[in-house]
Parts: sequence; C-alpha cells; structure tokens
Amino acid sequence: GAGVSQSPSNKVTEKGKDVELRCDPISGHTALYWYRQSLGQGLEFLIYFQGNSAPDKSGLPSDRFSAERTGGSVSTLTIQRTQQEDSAVYLCASSLGAGAGANVLTFGAGSRLTVL
Amino acid sequence: GNSVTQMEGPVTLSEEAFLTINCTYTATGYPSLFWYVQYPGEGLQLLLKATKADDKGSNKGFEATYRKETTSFHLEKGSVQVSDSAVYFCARAPNDYKLSFGAGTTVTVRA
Repeated sequence: GAGVSQSPSNKVTEKGKDVELRCDPISGHTALYWYRQSLGQGLEFLIYFQGNSAPDKSGLPSDRFSAERTGGSVSTLTIQRTQQEDSAVYLCASSLGAGAGANVLTFGAGSRLTVL
Repeated sequence: GNSVTQMEGPVTLSEEAFLTINCTYTATGYPSLFWYVQYPGEGLQLLLKATKADDKGSNKGFEATYRKETTSFHLEKGSVQVSDSAVYFCARAPNDYKLSFGAGTTVTVRA
C-alpha cells in the first residue's frame, strides 16, 4: 500500500482482556518496528523485525506482550490480560531495511488503546 | 540508559523567534542521526537526517549538523511559524539500523 496501515485506530477494552493490533507495512519494506507512545512520554521501542532474521524483542515490557510477522509482511501485536498501564498509542513503522533508506521510517497513524 | 538525550520541553515561543532543540547521543559506532516530527493529530514523519560527521540535514527551514566532537545533533530554525507547533524527536540509528528515540520536545509557537 501507499502507507503504513494500522488497525484498529481506537480500541477500548476492559482490564484482563486480550487485544490484537494489526500493522500493514509498505509493500517491499523488509524492516518493521513497533513502538509505544504513552501520554507525556516519548517513544518506547517494543520489537523489531528485519526480513527473515529473528526479531529483536528486547523492548517488550512483559511476557504478556508478543508480536509476529507473517510472510514478511503483516504484523500483529498481541497484549494478553491487559492492564491499565498498557493504555497508550501503539505505533507501527516500516523501512527498506537496507541501503540509504534503511533508517527512514514511515509510521502509521497508530492504534490508541484504552484499558478501563 | 537511553542512547539519545534531548532537551525537555515544553518550549513556547513567538512567531519569527529562533528555535533550538538540543540533542546529544551516545557515541557507540558511527550512527546515523535523525529528527522526526509529529504535528498535532498526525503520525510521526521524518524531518531531516545526517549520516556522517559534519553532515548537515535540512528541511522546511530546519537544520541540524552532526557534531562528532560534541556528540550532538541540535535542531535549529531561524524564524518559526505557528505551523511549526509539534513534538520533535531526535533519533539515533547504529549500524544495525534499529532506531532509538529521545523523549520528544513539545514546541508551541504563538502568533
């Protein structure tokens, strides 16, 4: 697609429920990132996928968080047993992953998660 | 700790004022440096970048110079407009291409 598409744009859930957030990166972009942006805070790195390499999961805050990327394209971020502190905007970004454009990230509009 | 440290905000200034947002980075390897901007209600977008020492990135009247000796990449604009009101993020990418971002600086420009 023309840009990075994320869904849902807004999600309100009850504490303890599981949520799935989806990201469709730009076609041909081999690198995909998930970040979290909490109110009043900066961008927190969560996970990074690059081609067929093992993902860098070093930013996932707990084992309730997981992500997968199927076929090197679409990615799903799953949060199990959501807590109120999980409320944030979850941002997905993709990049070419190599060459001059490797670090030029294109961000999606984000998925705003509210845990009641 | 975070490998990028940027000036805390919020920053409020009048139109046509000079803007500087300081950013320093950890000097591991030879990182590329970036400024991303998030306008109200929009997603983050790349503002400018520099890939090696002494490079100057520029866009929309903004400039930043990669200073290896001071490990800095300060963002400057000589005359801001109300439309420059946004959150600005400094970012660093080491050789493995994974970006780490600063905490962001909120800038508000008043007419």
